[in-house]
Amino acid sequence: QVTLRESGPALVKPTQTLTLTCTFSGFSLGTNGMCVSWIRQPPGKALEWLALIDWDDDKYYSTSLKTRLTISKDTSKNQVVLRMTNMDPVDTATYYCARTTYNFLSGRPYNWFGPWGQGTLVTVSS
Amino acid sequence: QSALTQPRSVSGSPGQSVTISCTGTNSDVGGYNYVSWYQHHPGKAPELMIYDVSKRPSGVPDRFSGSKSGNTASLTISGLQAEDEAHYYCCSSAGRYSWVFGGGTKLTVL
Repeated sequence: QVTLRESGPALVKPTQTLTLTCTFSGFSLGTNGMCVSWIRQPPGKALEWLALIDWDDDKYYSTSLKTRLTISKDTSKNQVVLRMTNMDPVDTATYYCARTTYNFLSGRPYNWFGPWGQGTLVTVSS
Repeated sequence: QSALTQPRSVSGSPGQSVTISCTGTNSDVGGYNYVSWYQHHPGKAPELMIYDVSKRPSGVPDRFSGSKSGNTASLTISGLQAEDEAHYYCCSSAGRYSWVFGGGTKLTVL
């Protein structure tokens, strides 16, 4: 059974750096084709895809947030970490991690996410 | 890119059918057959219900179906059940490593 769980601070101050950890089980990022994405949802707003890391340590970012995001993995710990710099109140959101897999026939990830974690709410406030 | 447009809410009685729309552009929904739908009960993890416009993962009841016409995708839930009450989100590929989601639709089972 594949499960994912997000963890990190519930409250960060403006200008600080947010560090979130996605701890998963039931698969390994050392296995060909495995990928993990981060997705967030500000209160009352749409979900927003943020970043993806694959088994080969390739990293992809949302164009609009690319300069602020860093995604990394620790395969031995079954963890993916997302760092977001220069946090602002507009970054207040529930942050989710989700598994994606790679379609080797098409040369791109499958265009769906699942399973997901339950999410962690991060509030940015002084 | 802008979020996909979904109705804020829909409702239906048990046994009825409801359809949730998801409107995008030629750069996302209209440009790819890669629309997915997610069910989200509060406090739980979102769950994949439909992928690649109309495919169902194993375990998802066939009461859930998806379709697309032009820049608008749709999720239809037939034979509504109380447990279907949740938020539903659509998602579309917008490029090779780019995805855009909808704002979500709250389904109320009356």
